[in-house]
Amino acid sequence: DVKVTQSSRYLVKRTGEKVFLECVQDMDHENMFWYRQDPGLGLRLIYFSYDVKMKEKGDIPEGYSVSREKKERFSLILESASTNQTSMYLCASSEPSGAGGYTFGSGTRLTVV
Amino acid sequence: AQSVTQPDIHITVSEGASLELRCNYSYGATPYLFWYVQSPGQGLQLLLKYFSGDTLVQGIKGFEAEFKRSQSSFNLRKPSVHWSDAAEYFCAVGLMEYGNKLVFGAGTILRVKS
Repeated sequence: DVKVTQSSRYLVKRTGEKVFLECVQDMDHENMFWYRQDPGLGLRLIYFSYDVKMKEKGDIPEGYSVSREKKERFSLILESASTNQTSMYLCASSEPSGAGGYTFGSGTRLTVV
Repeated sequence: AQSVTQPDIHITVSEGASLELRCNYSYGATPYLFWYVQSPGQGLQLLLKYFSGDTLVQGIKGFEAEFKRSQSSFNLRKPSVHWSDAAEYFCAVGLMEYGNKLVFGAGTILRVKS
């Protein structure tokens, strides 16, 4: 089975801090994605990546950046955390066609205080 | 713009009763369609998917979904609900010409009463 691992289950950070959320997948998938999940809003796409060093903005990229230096790792960066970035963050990966659906990590619940 | 609508925020059913969760999408072409389930504190698990062919698809845990092109719908069904089915369910549309990204509905929270 594909495994998508998010390094932290819970994080508490202070306003203004630089925050790194790490995601690693072990099935050699080309595509990786970062979503945030908020009650009543479902999942919203922040950034995605087709390949190493490739990135594309999703629907809500403001305040975020990403890094993909290796195929298996996709990092989400909050340059200066703000309280409105308190949320659940979900990483996912898929093969290029998407035919298998996405495989999601267990999520990182980030609280910015 | 592409969108997915799950009209029911919460649904409560009795254990053993049948279940139908509604999903409508707005998209110009025939999309790839998915249903995911999320138990509290967990990530999302794929229940089933539709790409083409038979419009009635079977998934895991006894779930099925039917694609109806004329109604732009992809409703999820289960004939007999178990208490362990209590979770949040998400419908999603795969936009293959938009970088293979998924657009999700807002989710439906299922409660099962005994």
